[in-house]
Amino acid sequence: AQKVTQAQTEISVVEKEDVTLDCVYETRDTTYYLFWYKQPPSGELVFLIRRNSFDEQNEISGRYSWNFQKSTSSFNFTITASQVVDSAVYFCALSEAQEGGSEKLVFGKGMKLTVNP
Amino acid sequence: EAGVAQSPRYKIIEKRQSVAFWCNPISGHATLYWYQQILGQGPKLLIQFQNNGVVDDSQLPKDRFSAERLKGVDSTLKIQPAKLEDSAVYLCASSLDPTSGRITDTQYFGPGTRLTVL
Repeated sequence: AQKVTQAQTEISVVEKEDVTLDCVYETRDTTYYLFWYKQPPSGELVFLIRRNSFDEQNEISGRYSWNFQKSTSSFNFTITASQVVDSAVYFCALSEAQEGGSEKLVFGKGMKLTVNP
Repeated sequence: EAGVAQSPRYKIIEKRQSVAFWCNPISGHATLYWYQQILGQGPKLLIQFQNNGVVDDSQLPKDRFSAERLKGVDSTLKIQPAKLEDSAVYLCASSLDPTSGRITDTQYFGPGTRLTVL
């Protein structure tokens, strides 16, 4: 069975600090996808990134960066120079391919980030 | 491009009453998902449709929950009768049909319906 663990439940930082959100996953599949979603207070889940199991290159998008390490089954997310607007709950999710090509997502419990001015 | 639409945004009912939620996916997205998100937890898949066929409903409590997607576009999720433990946010998501040859079938989520059962 798949499992996604976000060990941190809540983090509070001061604006401009860097913060890393940890995600550890378990799967027996060789082909899988990892995601990060942001859920602001409005409630909508906002897609941030998708990474497949064959691509271990780290990725940077503005202040966001992701570190994927298959050896430790981790897909960590770093926000550089955090801003108040980054305050949200962040979810890591693991997907496996199913028949027909669709995906099934398994989410972690989420990590609440509060960025204080 | 319009996102996933859901209504209502909020609903308060008493236990044993019935309730229905509506979802309109992103135009052109053939796959539609309903998730239940209990406070403090990640979303849990209830049912997945590919066009108007059910792909996965293994976690749907079928004694009280039902869902349909008759024309392969809009979908309705119903709870009858509701229990206290059904209080949650119900999220709808959609993704492209991968057989179309498009690049991604990442799921895009609507704003959710917050259900409170008293």
